[in-house]
Formats: sequence, C-alpha cells, structure tokens
Amino acid sequence: QKEVEQNSGPLSVPEGAIASLNCTYSDRGSQSFFWYRQYSGKSPELIMFIYSNGDKEDGRFTAQLNKASQYVSLLIRDSQPSDSATYLCAVNEESSTLGRLYFGRGTQLTVWP
Amino acid sequence: DAMVIQNPRYQVTQFGKPVTLSCSQTLNHNVMYWYQQKSSQAPKLLFHYYDKDFNNEADTPDNFQSRRPNTSFCFLDIRSPGLGDAAMYLCATSFTGGNQPQHFGDGTRLSIL
Repeated sequence: QKEVEQNSGPLSVPEGAIASLNCTYSDRGSQSFFWYRQYSGKSPELIMFIYSNGDKEDGRFTAQLNKASQYVSLLIRDSQPSDSATYLCAVNEESSTLGRLYFGRGTQLTVWP
Repeated sequence: DAMVIQNPRYQVTQFGKPVTLSCSQTLNHNVMYWYQQKSSQAPKLLFHYYDKDFNNEADTPDNFQSRRPNTSFCFLDIRSPGLGDAAMYLCATSFTGGNQPQHFGDGTRLSIL
C-alpha cells in the first residue's frame, strides 16, 4: 500500500510569517507531485506541481522536492488569513498511465491576523 | 472559462434509494476520475476512465457504478446508498493522465436520510 504522510497539524502561523508544510511518500518511483488547497466544505484546488528535484516558485508559494529523501514541501511566504485551509499533498503512482494519485490526509493551516 | 462542473452541489437521498451524480467538463480532457472524500480524510479514488476505457478500483463498493457516455460527461450511480456513503463526491479530469495534474469540480455533498 503506497502511502503519503503529512504533518498532522493543525499549523498556526501569524499573518506575514512563512508557513512550511511537509510531505513524505513511500513510492520511490513517483515522478510527479502536487499540492492542493482545500477550503472547508469545498473541493481541492491545484496550487503547485513539481516534477524535478529542487525548488519551484510561483508567487508566494515555493514547492521543494527531494526524491532521494522521498520528501516534498510547500512554503507559503507572507501568509495571509485567506491562506487558511487544508493543504493536500498528492503523489502519482509510478506504474499508473492513467495518473492515479495518492493523497495525504492534509495539513490544516490557520493564519491569524 | 473551461471547467469541470458537478451537479447537483448538494444531494439528499433516502437510505437505499438510488442516486445519480453528474460531472461535465469543457477542458476536452481524456481522463475523468471520481473520488469519495469523507470529513478529515484524503480523497479516495473510486473509478477512472481514459476515454471510454473504464478502470474500477479494487476496493470500490459494488453498489457504486459509473458511466461515461461521451468525452464531456461522466456519471456516478449509487444503487442502494447506505449511511456510510454520505460524503463529498469529487469529479476530476486530466489531459492524458500520467504526470498531468488533475483538476477538480466543486463536488457534490451527498447526505443520506
């Protein structure tokens, strides 16, 4: 059973701080990694994806990938109250041509003013 | 805007009464997915299609079925809903599967009386 583990949270940071969300995965052959944001009662929204080792930046978001350590993280700079949500890490299954994803249970982030 | 549309947003049905949830997409994506998500849990994949090629997850309950009559539409049928089937049902699409990101609709919240 392939697993995706996220720090359980909840994570609480003040407005303007950096929020760091972490994820480890068990499928060593996984090639693509996704971060979704999910507001309470809403559906997941794709915010970042990363395929190669290193950092990928998009605005206030930075995804970091280390395949050797089977670790992917999401940094949110200058956190805003509107960033308060659950963040889901998703990892693809190596052998799946149909793009089967394994999701973590999510980390709940609260940004307080 | 191209998007994934789920109907209805909220569905209430009686124990054992069949229900159908629908999903349509204007993204012209080849792959469509159905997920079940219960509170504070990761989305759980039920089915996926590449065009009309159907893939059923091994642990999807037998009273769940799916249809994809054309590229744009996909349906989830629950033949005899039980109380344990109350959940958010999420439809997602991906251009070709593999490493491509999945894009979610707004979901259908199913309640069982």
